[in-house]
Amino acid sequence: GAVVSQHPSWVICKSGTSVKIECRSLDFQATTMFWYRQFPKQSLMLMATSNEGSKATYEQGVEKDKFLINHASLTLSTLTVTSAHPEDSSFYICSARGLAGDTQYFGPGTRLTVL
Amino acid sequence: SQKIEQNSEALNIQEGKTATLTCNYTNYSPAYLQWYRQDPGRGPVFLLLIRENEKEKRKERLKVTFDTTLKQSLFHITASQPADSATYLCALVGYMYSGGGADGLTFGKGTHLIIQP
Repeated sequence: GAVVSQHPSWVICKSGTSVKIECRSLDFQATTMFWYRQFPKQSLMLMATSNEGSKATYEQGVEKDKFLINHASLTLSTLTVTSAHPEDSSFYICSARGLAGDTQYFGPGTRLTVL
Repeated sequence: SQKIEQNSEALNIQEGKTATLTCNYTNYSPAYLQWYRQDPGRGPVFLLLIRENEKEKRKERLKVTFDTTLKQSLFHITASQPADSATYLCALVGYMYSGGGADGLTFGKGTHLIIQP
């Protein structure tokens, strides 16, 4: 149980384009989903928290207009990196937390490379 | 400022021995603490959660302790195996820069564990 998937697992795009990453909880309903970013040899850094049906809460220093988050259902959240630039290249990881419990279950991550 | 510190140097342990990893935190009063395993290029995998009122938690060969006075958690793997080689992350709920994402996790940088046959 508690499986979270992400799609795509990796993506390469040109500078200036937008990229959408999907996060799905496969066998449970996730009232809250989180998006993290991890640069090489660094710890995971929380970008935003999203609750189903409401606007995402962004952490300090994360541009909400650049990283668009949509949590349209209890099993799906999407992160869109708009007008991506090479400095946005990173490992993006989502996590999901169920209705009851404190544990966050993580997806396998999406490697984004912006050329 | 708030900090989570894990031993950033790789930890080499002989197969069969017990591996002990340390997580120290400052300027934090977490309600609970979690340990995750992360393999290269993969997302973290949840291992154990321990609450502030729990001293110790076990799961198979894993044991976690939580000392809120020392602000420290220890993570033990007994009878270690080469397959246990990975990076182990300590995480606390309550993000240090929270502007509302108080349920987000703050992670340490992780300790890279190597179990040698």
